[in-house]
Amino acid sequence: DIQMTQSPSSLSASVGDRVTITCRASQNIDNYLTWYQQKPGKAPKLLIYTTSNLQSGVPSRFSGSGSGTDFTLTINSLQPEDFGAYFCQQTYITPQTFGQGTKVEIK
Amino acid sequence: QVQLQESGPGLVKPSETLTVTCNVSGYSISSGYYWGWLRQPPGKGLEWIGNIDHSGSTDYSPSLRGRVSISLDPSENQFYLKMTSVTAADTAVYYCTRMPDSSGPSHYWGQGTLVTVSP
Repeated sequence: DIQMTQSPSSLSASVGDRVTITCRASQNIDNYLTWYQQKPGKAPKLLIYTTSNLQSGVPSRFSGSGSGTDFTLTINSLQPEDFGAYFCQQTYITPQTFGQGTKVEIK
Repeated sequence: QVQLQESGPGLVKPSETLTVTCNVSGYSISSGYYWGWLRQPPGKGLEWIGNIDHSGSTDYSPSLRGRVSISLDPSENQFYLKMTSVTAADTAVYYCTRMPDSSGPSHYWGQGTLVTVSP
């Protein structure tokens, strides 16, 4: 299975800050990288697919980049509603696998 | 508006069989797309279980293959997850999702249903 490693596991940032979360794959996954946001007690919500494509309705402050094995989710100007957990997922090869998650807290 | 909603038993005894249903509204499951199952143990990360396409072709996680099966019922517009010989490690929130293809992300999710495996 492809291992997905996210960092950091948690972070605390202020409103307006720029936040970066990284995801590293144990082997090349081309651009088959997805990012989700999950609020407590809720299902994950799709943010970005195929590395950098913003899902409809997702604010433009979210962006994704990378290729191969190293990927980044950036939140420009963090907002209070951005708290929650963020997960990366590779869909290049089955079984699809996820990173362990990054918990974002608003200071 | 596509909506997915899971329903499950809530509590299952060890060694028994778990069945979770996903009811789909707003789209006919036999018309296209892939339909998947994922799970999340309490306080932990996400695990992909498998998926089924609109024609009934399936793909499963190797770690669960042999214990899981996914099927669909176009007449009810539902699809199902069946997992045999459950243990406490199968305690999780089970989510059903829709994907554009086998390599695509889960665009649509159900709200999830918690299944606890306990005597």
